[in-house]
Amino acid sequence: NAGVMQNPRHLVRRRGQEARLRCSPMKGHSHVYWYRQLPEEGLKFMVYLQKENIIDESGMPKERFSAEFPKEGPSILRIQQVVRGDSAAYFCASSLATGGGQETQYFGPGTRLLVL
Amino acid sequence: DQQVKQNSPSLSVQEGRISILNCDYTNSMFDYFLWYKKYPAEGPTFLISISSIKDKNEDGRFTVFLNKSAKHLSLHIVPSQPGDSAVYFCAASGGSQGNLIFGKGTKLSVKP
Repeated sequence: NAGVMQNPRHLVRRRGQEARLRCSPMKGHSHVYWYRQLPEEGLKFMVYLQKENIIDESGMPKERFSAEFPKEGPSILRIQQVVRGDSAAYFCASSLATGGGQETQYFGPGTRLLVL
Repeated sequence: DQQVKQNSPSLSVQEGRISILNCDYTNSMFDYFLWYKKYPAEGPTFLISISSIKDKNEDGRFTVFLNKSAKHLSLHIVPSQPGDSAVYFCAASGGSQGNLIFGKGTKLSVKP
């Protein structure tokens, strides 16, 4: 499977626990983006990363949320002390390192987080 | 403050006819536009894109039209098929931004 991979597909957490969402980009892609989709809404940008660098985190909540894309391994979106409002579908996308902004992003299947 | 708007939440079309999905944007810095198709419980699937230097791009049954003066784009699907039934999202990016700005989506139903 050469597509964007995300795991887990479904994640249930109780309030106050931590959630870790993983994303492996398409082969050859070095740009990773995280988006969140609330019910009946479009996808909202959270963070843009390249290997070992956060390029743009303007869509990320200031507290409890963090993201990384290490030199080896998948990108991780981490949510600490989850609250019910964090329940959503989280999508990862990747693109080629062509720059210039006109890059097609390809999406993974998403992780559906439910906070009880 | 929605920069990308899809004003029709839903659209119903007969199989074999044309489906036209519309999208408006407000930010004149956007220079790349994309359409994605999404089934329930799956991620968005890329369909077609268009650069702001063009006014039309075609790929099989899918054609995207861009009217920069009106800040409007549309996706035409001809002929529509029942398998096209899904939610369609319009997205835009521009300037130095790598991230995409999405509309809220239009749910297309193609009836046999």
